Amino acid sequence: DTEVTQTPKHLVMGMTNKKSLKCEQHMGHRAMYWYKQKAKKPPELMFVYSYEKLSINESVPSRFSPECPNSSLLNLHLHALQPEDSALYLCASSQEGKRGYNEQFFGPGTRLTVL
Amino acid sequence: AQSVTQLGSHVSVSEGALVLLRCNYSSSVPPYLFWYVQYPNQGLQLLLKYTTGATLVKGINGFEAEFKKSETSFHLTKPSAHMSDAAEYFCAVSALREGGKLIFGQGTELSVKP
Repeated sequence: DTEVTQTPKHLVMGMTNKKSLKCEQHMGHRAMYWYKQKAKKPPELMFVYSYEKLSINESVPSRFSPECPNSSLLNLHLHALQPEDSALYLCASSQEGKRGYNEQFFGPGTRLTVL
Repeated sequence: AQSVTQLGSHVSVSEGALVLLRCNYSSSVPPYLFWYVQYPNQGLQLLLKYTTGATLVKGINGFEAEFKKSETSFHLTKPSAHMSDAAEYFCAVSALREGGKLIFGQGTELSVKP
């Protein structure tokens, strides 16, 4: 299984809602990533988990809260988002994060719209 | 700090023509380089990567790229474009001194005309 799955595919939420994005991989990878991608732009790294510990937080606002319950799962909890947070949210995983030569496998993304 | 520059935000070719997408990188250490493709409303898919060894790297869908250290380049080529190649292409370098995170170029949108 060389797939990263993400749910839901689409999400529409109001600014006062609380929702969560989910990501799962069964490749035995020990590094997992959240990216935010705006239209016609490259992905922007948000968080990196390495061996289930948060290793990189790219100064993301606290309304985004990541969680790594186990080595296969990654969640992104959303609360009090702003319309400018509307974007495609991508999850990725790699064998090991810090050595750099391991490619990242990306999921299909969750298209988030904040009203 | 490492960086990636993709020359041309949009490239248009005719079906059957050569595809050339340019990528230059800046790195103070030997780089690990990647090309990803993104089709509309999808995630990124790895086309190919360079880590060490042979500088001409072959990838999926007939694409290849050559690592040229003297020119700090990693251009992506395909001899004959197909309509299905129309997509966004991202070149990336691995930032070894920043936990191995990927530094992406701005992307090149490839259009293929019939």
